[in-house]
Amino acid sequence: QKEVEQNSGPLSVPEGAIASLNCTYSDRVSQSFFWYRQYSGKSPELIMSIYSNGDKEDGRFTAQLNKASQYVSLLIRDSQPSDSATYLCAVNIQNRGSTLGRLYFGRGTQLTVWP
Amino acid sequence: DAGVTQSPTHLIKTRGQQVTLRCSPKSGHDTVSWYQQALGQGPQFIFQYYEEEERQRGNFPDRFSGHQFPNYSSELNVNALLLGDSALYLCASTGDRKLSYEQYFGPGTRLTVT
Repeated sequence: QKEVEQNSGPLSVPEGAIASLNCTYSDRVSQSFFWYRQYSGKSPELIMSIYSNGDKEDGRFTAQLNKASQYVSLLIRDSQPSDSATYLCAVNIQNRGSTLGRLYFGRGTQLTVWP
Repeated sequence: DAGVTQSPTHLIKTRGQQVTLRCSPKSGHDTVSWYQQALGQGPQFIFQYYEEEERQRGNFPDRFSGHQFPNYSSELNVNALLLGDSALYLCASTGDRKLSYEQYFGPGTRLTVT
């Protein structure tokens, strides 16, 4: 059973603060990791991808990956009210002998940034 | 650059009926995956199509079937609808089957079964 767990929300932070979102996964063969943002009533939007251990920064977003601990996180610096959404962690796992993978999602963490 | 498109946007059906949802992948993408997202949950993988064949399937009954056309567009069919099939149905496409495997979602089809 491949599982992706996210820290239970909701998470509420003031404008300008750092929001920290966490995710753990159970399958050690996972190779690619993604964060999606989903506004209420909308579809998921890919905001970050990370494949190697360490940090990856893109604007106000930083993804962190630790494969040994099976842990991936997303930091949002200088949080804005427009960041209020549900953040989904997704893990890509490729079947043995296949070039095709599939995504496993966590349940999401709801983030609210208040002015 | 056209993104992933889906139709219809919303659909209301009665229990026992059949429904067909449609998806056109992002330009340059050839692999399409379908997901079901219930309220408050993360998307659940239904199946994936590549080269007009179903390549992988999640834990969904045979009532869920699909098809991929030569132009890479895809359909999801659900027969004998149940109340529990009410959900947001998402189509995602990718053209990169190597390490990154980034998938991009369409706007979704909201299906309500009454």
